[in-house]
Amino acid sequence: GEDVEQSLFLSVREGDSSVINCTYTDSSSTYLYWYKQEPGAGLQLLTYIFSNMDMKQDQRLTVLLNKKDKHLSLRIADTQTGDSAIYFCARGNQGGKLIFGQGTELSVKP
Amino acid sequence: NAGVTQTPKFRVLKTGQSMTLLCAQDMNHEYMYWYRQDPGMGLRLIHYSVGEGTTAKGEVPDGYNVSRLKKQNFLLGLESAAPSQTSVYFCASCLAGSYEQYFGPGTRLTVT
Repeated sequence: GEDVEQSLFLSVREGDSSVINCTYTDSSSTYLYWYKQEPGAGLQLLTYIFSNMDMKQDQRLTVLLNKKDKHLSLRIADTQTGDSAIYFCARGNQGGKLIFGQGTELSVKP
Repeated sequence: NAGVTQTPKFRVLKTGQSMTLLCAQDMNHEYMYWYRQDPGMGLRLIHYSVGEGTTAKGEVPDGYNVSRLKKQNFLLGLESAAPSQTSVYFCASCLAGSYEQYFGPGTRLTVT
């Protein structure tokens, strides 16, 4: 299987919470990231978590890291139509190379 | 402060033609990267550079060459384009020792 894996699609209703999941096989990375890509645009860093943390909260975003299961998740509270985009999970080291998942396309329906 | 810019935005090539993609950053970043993005596969690293005059291979380097003659520029070359190189190419940069890479808007390349 791939090093970093994500499901390809997620559909939610506006106002609901979205949870995007990611699994990885190599636990040597220092950082785990979530990037957002809007249509026709480059990637924008949403948030990141150090590998020695379990949780990080940043406004509507909550990142959970389960090191034992090598599972990372991104929860978006009160999802809005503007959150519709592709979300990429990635692992990497400080200043180093990033390994990306395939991306999860989030569709938010009004 | 323009951040990371890429030239051109779109290009169509015929098989066997050559071209160079230009990435420029004005943030004085030491590290620069070239990725390709294909449907269902995420981004894959082609080549990267940790400083002026240095380059290294990434995950999928075959068919590409790079040069970093100036700190602010990172060039990606295709000597003989193939249809398998049809993709969206992203450049990124970051400070040495940083956790955050800044991405350019991408170049959509089609090889017929």
